[in-house]
Amino acid sequence: NAGVMQNPRHLVRRRGQEARLRCSPMKGHSHVYWYRQLPEEGLKFMVYLQKENIIDESGMPKERFSAEFPKEGPSILRIQQVVRGDSAAYFCASSPDRIKNNSPLHFGNGTRLTVT
Amino acid sequence: KQEVTQIPAALSVPEGENLVLNCSFTDSAIYNLQWFRQDPGKGLTSLLLIQSSQREQTSGRLNASLDKSSGRSTLYIAASQPGDSATYLCAAKTGANNLFFGTGTRLTVIP
Repeated sequence: NAGVMQNPRHLVRRRGQEARLRCSPMKGHSHVYWYRQLPEEGLKFMVYLQKENIIDESGMPKERFSAEFPKEGPSILRIQQVVRGDSAAYFCASSPDRIKNNSPLHFGNGTRLTVT
Repeated sequence: KQEVTQIPAALSVPEGENLVLNCSFTDSAIYNLQWFRQDPGKGLTSLLLIQSSQREQTSGRLNASLDKSSGRSTLYIAASQPGDSATYLCAAKTGANNLFFGTGTRLTVIP
C-alpha cells in the first residue's frame, strides 16, 4: 500500500510564474490536508479537502492560492504569480474515508518550492 | 487559538543516553496529541498518537505521555542511537481538520 505521494519533490519557479503541486492520498483515503513549512518555522495548516469539496481553507492566503481535489486524480495546490515568500516545503497528508478524531494523519515527503 | 511550543529547540546527547523532549499547548481541549519524526529533506513519520483520554503510549524505545490539564506532553527516548538523530515534532489536534504543530526539537545523537 503506497503512502501519500507528492510530486514534484523539488520545484523551481521564477517570480510571477505558476506553481502546481500534486498529491495522491493513500489508497482508500478521501480526505486531504495541505500544510506549509517555512524555513525555521513549524508546519502551518492551509486547507482541508474531501473529494470535490473544500471543507476548510482558513489557513490559505486569500489571493493567488487555490486547491482542488477532483473526483478523479490527485489533489492540486496551485500558486499563481509566485513570490519569493512562497518558497517553502509544502506537505500533503491524508486520512481515511471516515473521519475519526483519533486516527493519525499520514504525510507525504513534501514538495520543496524555490522561487528565484 | 491553539499554540504549541517545543523546548529545547535543539539537543545533542551522547549515544546510549536517555532523553526527554517537551511539548506544551495552550488549549487543553484537544482530541489527541501526535509525535512525528522528520528527517532532513523528508516528510513526517508518525511515531506515537495519544488520545485525549489516554495518559501515555509506548512503541519500542519511545514513550509519550500526555497531561491535558497542564497542557503538556513529553517524548521519552531510551538508550538513544545515532539513527535517532532527526527533528521531532509534536502536534495537537483540536478539530476534525486541523493539527497545530510545534516548531520541533532537532536531536543529534553523537556516536
